Amino acid sequence: RKEVEQDPGPFNVPEGATVAFNCTYSNSASQSFFWYRQDCRKEPKLLMSVYSSGNEDGRFTAQLNRASQYISLLIRDSKLSDSATYLCVAHQETSGSRLTFGEGTQLTVNP
Amino acid sequence: DGGITQSPKYLFRKEGQNVTLSCEQNLNHDAMYWYRQDPGQGLRLIYYSQIVNDFQKGDIAEGYSVSREKKESFPLTVTSAQKNPTAFYLCASSTRGGGAYNEQFFGPGTRLTVL
Repeated sequence: RKEVEQDPGPFNVPEGATVAFNCTYSNSASQSFFWYRQDCRKEPKLLMSVYSSGNEDGRFTAQLNRASQYISLLIRDSKLSDSATYLCVAHQETSGSRLTFGEGTQLTVNP
Repeated sequence: DGGITQSPKYLFRKEGQNVTLSCEQNLNHDAMYWYRQDPGQGLRLIYYSQIVNDFQKGDIAEGYSVSREKKESFPLTVTSAQKNPTAFYLCASSTRGGGAYNEQFFGPGTRLTVL
Protein backbone atom coordinates (compact mmCIF):
# COMPACT_ATOMS: atom_id res chain seq x y z
CA ARG A 1 0.00 0.00 0.00
CA LYS A 2 1.31 3.47 -0.84
CA GLU A 3 2.03 5.76 2.06
CA VAL A 4 -0.04 8.59 0.57
CA GLU A 5 -2.96 7.85 -1.74
CA GLN A 6 -5.08 10.34 -3.62
CA ASP A 7 -8.21 10.30 -5.77
CA PRO A 8 -6.97 9.14 -9.16
CA GLY A 9 -8.92 11.77 -11.11
CA PRO A 10 -8.92 13.47 -13.49
CA PHE A 11 -11.58 15.94 -12.41
CA ASN A 12 -13.31 18.08 -15.03
CA VAL A 13 -15.56 20.78 -13.59
CA PRO A 14 -17.22 23.96 -14.89
CA GLU A 15 -16.13 27.38 -13.72
CA GLY A 16 -17.72 28.28 -10.42
CA ALA A 17 -18.07 24.69 -9.25
CA THR A 18 -16.95 23.38 -5.90
CA VAL A 19 -14.57 20.45 -6.06
CA ALA A 20 -13.08 18.29 -3.33
CA PHE A 21 -9.99 16.10 -3.41
CA ASN A 22 -9.40 13.28 -0.97
CA CYS A 23 -6.16 11.89 0.34
CA THR A 24 -5.38 9.12 2.82
CA TYR A 25 -2.10 8.31 4.53
CA SER A 26 -0.98 5.03 6.02
CA ASN A 27 1.78 6.13 8.40
CA SER A 28 0.15 7.16 11.68
CA ALA A 29 3.40 8.91 12.62
CA SER A 30 2.69 11.57 9.98
CA GLN A 31 2.22 14.83 11.80
CA SER A 32 1.96 17.59 9.25
CA PHE A 33 0.58 17.72 5.76
CA PHE A 34 0.71 19.92 2.72
CA TRP A 35 -1.09 20.45 -0.53
CA TYR A 36 1.16 21.40 -3.43
CA ARG A 37 -0.03 22.59 -6.80
CA GLN A 38 1.81 21.57 -9.97
CA ASP A 39 1.09 23.18 -13.32
CA CYS A 40 1.74 21.20 -16.48
CA ARG A 41 5.47 20.64 -17.02
CA LYS A 42 6.36 22.93 -14.10
CA GLU A 43 7.66 22.44 -10.57
CA PRO A 44 5.31 21.91 -7.59
CA LYS A 45 4.53 24.93 -5.43
CA LEU A 46 3.10 24.96 -1.93
CA LEU A 47 -0.62 25.73 -1.83
CA MET A 48 -1.50 25.08 1.80
CA SER A 49 -0.11 23.59 4.98
CA VAL A 50 -2.32 21.53 7.30
CA TYR A 51 -1.18 21.08 10.89
CA SER A 52 -4.21 20.76 13.12
CA SER A 53 -7.76 20.01 12.10
CA GLY A 54 -7.73 22.25 9.08
CA ASN A 55 -6.81 25.45 7.36
CA GLU A 56 -8.63 27.94 5.15
CA ASP A 57 -7.19 30.40 2.67
CA GLY A 58 -9.72 32.25 0.54
CA ARG A 59 -11.46 29.77 -1.75
CA PHE A 60 -9.33 26.88 -0.51
CA THR A 61 -10.03 24.80 2.58
CA ALA A 62 -7.93 21.89 3.75
CA GLN A 63 -9.18 19.52 6.45
CA LEU A 64 -7.41 16.84 8.43
CA ASN A 65 -8.96 13.89 10.23
CA ARG A 66 -6.25 12.11 12.18
CA ALA A 67 -8.54 9.34 13.40
CA SER A 68 -9.34 8.36 9.83
CA GLN A 69 -5.91 9.34 8.51
CA TYR A 70 -7.61 11.44 5.88
CA ILE A 71 -6.93 14.86 4.38
CA SER A 72 -9.09 16.79 1.97
CA LEU A 73 -8.81 19.91 -0.16
CA LEU A 74 -11.92 21.85 -1.07
CA ILE A 75 -11.88 24.47 -3.81
CA ARG A 76 -14.90 26.77 -3.98
CA ASP A 77 -15.94 28.94 -6.93
CA SER A 78 -13.31 27.31 -9.12
CA LYS A 79 -11.49 29.43 -11.70
CA LEU A 80 -9.92 28.48 -15.00
CA SER A 81 -6.57 29.23 -13.39
CA ASP A 82 -7.15 26.48 -10.81
CA SER A 83 -6.51 23.89 -13.52
CA ALA A 84 -3.46 21.97 -12.34
CA THR A 85 -2.41 18.78 -10.57
CA TYR A 86 -2.79 18.82 -6.79
CA LEU A 87 -0.30 16.82 -4.74
CA CYS A 88 -1.03 15.61 -1.22
CA VAL A 89 2.10 15.45 0.94
CA ALA A 90 2.82 14.00 4.39
CA HIS A 91 5.66 14.71 6.80
CA GLN A 92 6.89 12.55 9.65
CA GLU A 93 9.12 14.39 12.09
CA THR A 94 11.07 11.21 12.76
CA SER A 95 12.19 11.27 9.13
CA GLY A 96 13.80 14.67 9.53
CA SER A 97 12.94 16.92 6.65
CA ARG A 98 11.79 14.17 4.30
CA LEU A 99 8.33 14.43 2.70
CA THR A 100 6.17 11.73 1.12
CA PHE A 101 4.18 12.72 -1.96
CA GLY A 102 0.98 11.28 -3.35
CA GLU A 103 0.64 10.76 -7.08
CA GLY A 104 -1.51 13.82 -7.57
CA THR A 105 -5.03 14.55 -8.77
CA GLN A 106 -5.47 16.44 -12.01
CA LEU A 107 -8.10 19.17 -12.18
CA THR A 108 -9.38 20.87 -15.31
CA VAL A 109 -11.77 23.78 -14.91
CA ASN A 110 -13.78 24.40 -18.07
CA PRO A 111 -15.35 27.68 -19.22
CA ASP B 1 16.34 37.01 -5.83
CA GLY B 2 16.55 33.88 -3.69
CA GLY B 3 15.70 30.58 -5.27
CA ILE B 4 16.75 27.29 -6.74
CA THR B 5 18.18 26.91 -10.20
CA GLN B 6 18.53 23.77 -12.23
CA SER B 7 20.34 23.43 -15.48
CA PRO B 8 19.88 22.61 -18.21
CA LYS B 9 16.11 22.69 -18.69
CA TYR B 10 16.24 19.99 -21.36
CA LEU B 11 18.96 17.38 -21.72
CA PHE B 12 19.45 14.67 -24.29
CA ARG B 13 21.93 11.85 -23.90
CA LYS B 14 22.78 8.63 -25.60
CA GLU B 15 22.13 5.39 -23.81
CA GLY B 16 25.10 4.26 -21.76
CA GLN B 17 26.42 7.75 -21.01
CA ASN B 18 26.60 9.22 -17.54
CA VAL B 19 25.06 12.67 -17.16
CA THR B 20 25.19 15.18 -14.31
CA LEU B 21 22.28 17.48 -13.48
CA SER B 22 23.01 20.73 -11.70
CA CYS B 23 21.11 22.14 -8.72
CA GLU B 24 22.06 25.37 -6.93
CA GLN B 25 20.22 27.27 -4.20
CA ASN B 26 20.85 30.61 -2.50
CA LEU B 27 18.15 30.23 0.16
CA ASN B 28 20.69 29.23 2.81
CA HIS B 29 18.84 25.94 3.23
CA ASP B 30 20.65 23.04 4.84
CA ALA B 31 18.55 20.27 3.28
CA MET B 32 18.41 19.45 -0.41
CA TYR B 33 16.60 16.74 -2.34
CA TRP B 34 16.38 15.09 -5.73
CA TYR B 35 13.13 13.69 -7.06
CA ARG B 36 12.15 11.93 -10.21
CA GLN B 37 8.71 12.33 -11.79
CA ASP B 38 7.37 10.14 -14.58
CA PRO B 39 4.30 11.06 -16.67
CA GLY B 40 1.10 10.87 -14.64
CA GLN B 41 2.95 9.93 -11.48
CA GLY B 42 3.96 11.60 -8.27
CA LEU B 43 7.42 12.53 -7.07
CA ARG B 44 9.77 9.75 -6.00
CA LEU B 45 12.74 10.58 -3.80
CA ILE B 46 16.15 9.65 -5.21
CA TYR B 47 18.61 11.13 -2.71
CA TYR B 48 18.55 13.77 -0.01
CA SER B 49 21.08 15.63 2.05
CA GLN B 50 20.48 17.35 5.36
CA ILE B 51 23.93 18.82 5.75
CA VAL B 52 27.11 19.37 3.79
CA ASN B 53 29.21 16.25 3.17
CA ASP B 54 26.33 13.95 4.13
CA PHE B 55 23.53 12.42 2.08
CA GLN B 56 21.11 9.49 2.26
CA LYS B 57 19.46 7.25 -0.29
CA GLY B 58 15.81 7.82 -0.99
CA ASP B 59 13.35 5.30 -2.38
CA ILE B 60 14.87 4.88 -5.85
CA ALA B 61 18.62 5.54 -5.49
CA GLU B 62 19.85 2.71 -7.71
CA GLY B 63 21.66 4.01 -10.77
CA TYR B 64 22.13 7.50 -9.33
CA SER B 65 24.87 9.23 -7.34
CA VAL B 66 25.16 12.60 -5.61
CA SER B 67 27.66 14.79 -3.80
CA ARG B 68 27.23 17.63 -1.33
CA GLU B 69 30.54 19.44 -1.09
CA LYS B 70 28.96 22.88 -0.73
CA LYS B 71 25.80 24.00 1.03
CA GLU B 72 24.54 25.67 -2.14
CA SER B 73 25.05 22.79 -4.53
CA PHE B 74 23.69 19.23 -4.82
CA PRO B 75 24.50 17.74 -8.25
CA LEU B 76 22.90 14.48 -9.36
CA THR B 77 24.65 12.03 -11.68
CA VAL B 78 22.50 9.65 -13.66
CA THR B 79 24.72 6.69 -14.42
CA SER B 80 24.53 4.12 -17.16
CA ALA B 81 23.30 1.66 -14.51
CA GLN B 82 19.95 3.47 -14.32
CA LYS B 83 17.72 1.31 -16.49
CA ASN B 84 15.09 3.86 -17.41
CA PRO B 85 16.55 7.34 -16.94
CA THR B 86 14.17 9.34 -19.16
CA ALA B 87 12.13 11.45 -16.73
CA PHE B 88 11.56 14.90 -15.23
CA TYR B 89 14.09 15.55 -12.46
CA LEU B 90 13.26 18.02 -9.70
CA CYS B 91 15.59 19.43 -7.10
CA ALA B 92 14.27 20.95 -3.88
CA SER B 93 15.58 22.51 -0.70
CA SER B 94 14.23 23.20 2.77
CA THR B 95 15.26 24.13 6.25
CA ARG B 96 16.81 21.21 8.05
CA GLY B 97 15.35 18.69 10.41
CA GLY B 98 11.94 18.01 11.85
CA GLY B 99 9.39 20.44 13.13
CA ALA B 100 5.97 21.23 11.89
CA TYR B 101 6.87 23.51 9.05
CA ASN B 102 8.97 21.93 6.39
CA GLU B 103 8.06 23.50 3.07
CA GLN B 104 10.25 22.31 0.26
CA PHE B 105 11.02 24.80 -2.49
CA PHE B 106 11.51 23.35 -5.93
CA GLY B 107 13.67 24.27 -8.85
CA PRO B 108 12.19 24.43 -12.37
CA GLY B 109 13.33 20.89 -13.18
CA THR B 110 15.40 19.20 -15.89
CA ARG B 111 13.78 16.99 -18.51
CA LEU B 112 16.21 14.23 -19.36
CA THR B 113 15.70 12.17 -22.47
CA VAL B 114 17.93 9.21 -23.16
CA LEU B 115 17.98 8.20 -26.80
